[in-house]
Amino acid sequence: DAKTTQPPSMDCAEGRAANLPCNHSTISGNEYVYWYRQIHSQGPQYIIHGLKNNETNEMASLIITEDRKSSTLILPHATLRDTAVYYCIVRGFNDYKLSFGAGTTVTVRA
Amino acid sequence: DGGITQSPKYLFRKEGQNVTLSCEQNLNHDAMYWYRQDPGQGLRLIYYSQIVNDFQKGDIAEGYSVSREKKESFPLTVTSAQKNPTAFYLCASSSYSPSSTEAFFGQGTRLTVV
Repeated sequence: DAKTTQPPSMDCAEGRAANLPCNHSTISGNEYVYWYRQIHSQGPQYIIHGLKNNETNEMASLIITEDRKSSTLILPHATLRDTAVYYCIVRGFNDYKLSFGAGTTVTVRA
Repeated sequence: DGGITQSPKYLFRKEGQNVTLSCEQNLNHDAMYWYRQDPGQGLRLIYYSQIVNDFQKGDIAEGYSVSREKKESFPLTVTSAQKNPTAFYLCASSSYSPSSTEAFFGQGTRLTVV
């Protein structure tokens, strides 16, 4: 019952911005967009989340389209340590079920 | 340090035996989760619990059982009915306070059944 669609993989050059797309065309008004990443053989790590406004923190920026049907996670200056699987999740504020899709495998190349 | 502890990190069992994976959190989170991950795949939700003494099946609950007798603990039992139990298992917890809704994950238990 995946609510999001992400490309299976993408490459990025070290030092350049990495733009990770996510489609969530069935998102409802009270659902947030969350991003996590999983470095090989570790537990996933929270990156950022947003409802409708763009958000920025020390790790990344989240751009959500005006119709909220898609979003982009931006890693402004990718490093080799950003190589990971990135998961985009849609979740209601009071929705306890937390399901992940397959994510996007991002490889940062020197 | 606050966090989620899964133990052990590696676990080996013989086929046909039940095995229980431990997950403890000291973050005072209400919700807890168990996931399974196979090589090269994403996370699949096994069970989740919103509150003590209550839990719901996730997307792949067959062959697994859980309990939630304490807020801090959410053990997962992999039963002999699980046909392919060898996998990486991850536990997570989450709060639902307005200021913090992200999930925190443990470091996982890698189960090998021979």
